[in-house]
Amino acid sequence: AAGVIQSPRHLIKEKRETATLKCYPIPRHDTVYWYQQGPGQDPQFLISFYEKMQSDKGSIPDRFSAQQFSDYHSELNMSSLELGDSALYFCASSFGARGRLVAEQFFGPGTRLTVL
Amino acid sequence: KQEVTQIPAALSVPEGENLVLNCSFTDSAIYNLQWFRQDPGKGLTSLLLIQSSQREQTSGRLNASLDKSSGRSTLYIAASQPGDSATYLCASRGENAGNMLTFGGGTRLMVKP
Repeated sequence: AAGVIQSPRHLIKEKRETATLKCYPIPRHDTVYWYQQGPGQDPQFLISFYEKMQSDKGSIPDRFSAQQFSDYHSELNMSSLELGDSALYFCASSFGARGRLVAEQFFGPGTRLTVL
Repeated sequence: KQEVTQIPAALSVPEGENLVLNCSFTDSAIYNLQWFRQDPGKGLTSLLLIQSSQREQTSGRLNASLDKSSGRSTLYIAASQPGDSATYLCASRGENAGNMLTFGGGTRLMVKP
């Protein structure tokens, strides 16, 4: 079965550089979520999109932005990178995230970002 | 704001033991609760999802229960194996929290041969 695809899997950047992470949801899933997991931490919700519109916003820094495209893939853009941005970034997708629908979230393998 | 806590933080057991991992949450207004497995440096694998109207879900040697009123969920692993060694995370999707999942800190499980 198709899973959530994230690219790149690993990324090394210098401070103050920019990075773009990509997420391809499971086919027919309409909702994408981004989470950040710092070393030794549990995943923290950043932002989500439903049908190409931002649906919820969590602890996403102003330096970060994201969008969902017409083919439902999503990109997380990170600018002015800081050492503290080093983390594992997960994308998840689900179908039918509105209301009381089950909306089980399926996670991708993550992108490991290292900021030097 | 929802807070999710997992106890114990770490657990080491000999192979073959049955074990219980605990998850508690402060806001009982949840749509569902998911249990995940995470191997070191790897992604999250969804194990079980319990809807708010359900009391338990089973998959193979795993059984998860949910008691919304008391804000608790447990993951029961029967006949543990060394391959079960991983970090287990629970996460709730709150009615007042949009689509986001709120994660607990996880339980690091080590099953010794």
